Amino acid sequence: AQKVTQAQTEISVVEKEDVTLDCVYETRDTTYYLFWYKQPPSGELVFLIRRNSFDEQNEISGRYSWNFQKSTSSFNFTITASQVVDSAVYFCALSEAANYGQNFVFGPGTRLSVLP
Amino acid sequence: DTGVSQNPRHKITKRGQNVTFRCDPISEHNRLYWYRQTLGQGPEFLTYFQNEAQLEKSRLLSDRFSAERPKGSFSTLEIQRTEQGDSAMYLCASSPSTPQETQYFGPGTRLLVL
Repeated sequence: AQKVTQAQTEISVVEKEDVTLDCVYETRDTTYYLFWYKQPPSGELVFLIRRNSFDEQNEISGRYSWNFQKSTSSFNFTITASQVVDSAVYFCALSEAANYGQNFVFGPGTRLSVLP
Repeated sequence: DTGVSQNPRHKITKRGQNVTFRCDPISEHNRLYWYRQTLGQGPEFLTYFQNEAQLEKSRLLSDRFSAERPKGSFSTLEIQRTEQGDSAMYLCASSPSTPQETQYFGPGTRLLVL
């Protein structure tokens, strides 16, 4: 069965600090997809990144970077030089190719507070 | 605005009443999903449609819940005889038909059952 763990329930940092959000997943499938979403106080889930299991290349997008390591089943997300607007709940999600229902399994989320 | 839209955004109802939510997906997306999110938790899958066909339902979707997508465009989620435990955010998402494609979410409908 697929499972996503985000061990950090809440993180607080001061603006301009770097912060890493952890995501550990479990799957028996060899083909799967990992996602990160941001949920600001307004409530709408905003897509950040999609990564398939065959692509372990790390990715950088502006202040955001993602570190995918299959050996440890982790897909961690780092925000560099955090800003107050980064304050939100961040969710990691997993979708297995064998899952005909195409549904995502989400982690419990990490609430990030960036203080000015 | 070409994103996923949901109506209403908020709904307060009394226990035992029926409620219906609507979701309008991104127009070119064939797949539509419903999720439920309770406070402090990630979204939980409820059901999904490929065009008008409902292809999967979660165990979370009790007999009091029914979803439809009659013409393969918008969808409705109805909860009959609401219970206080139904209080949650109900999220709709849509995606193209390519497998494991990114799902784009609407703003959600927040339900409070008194």
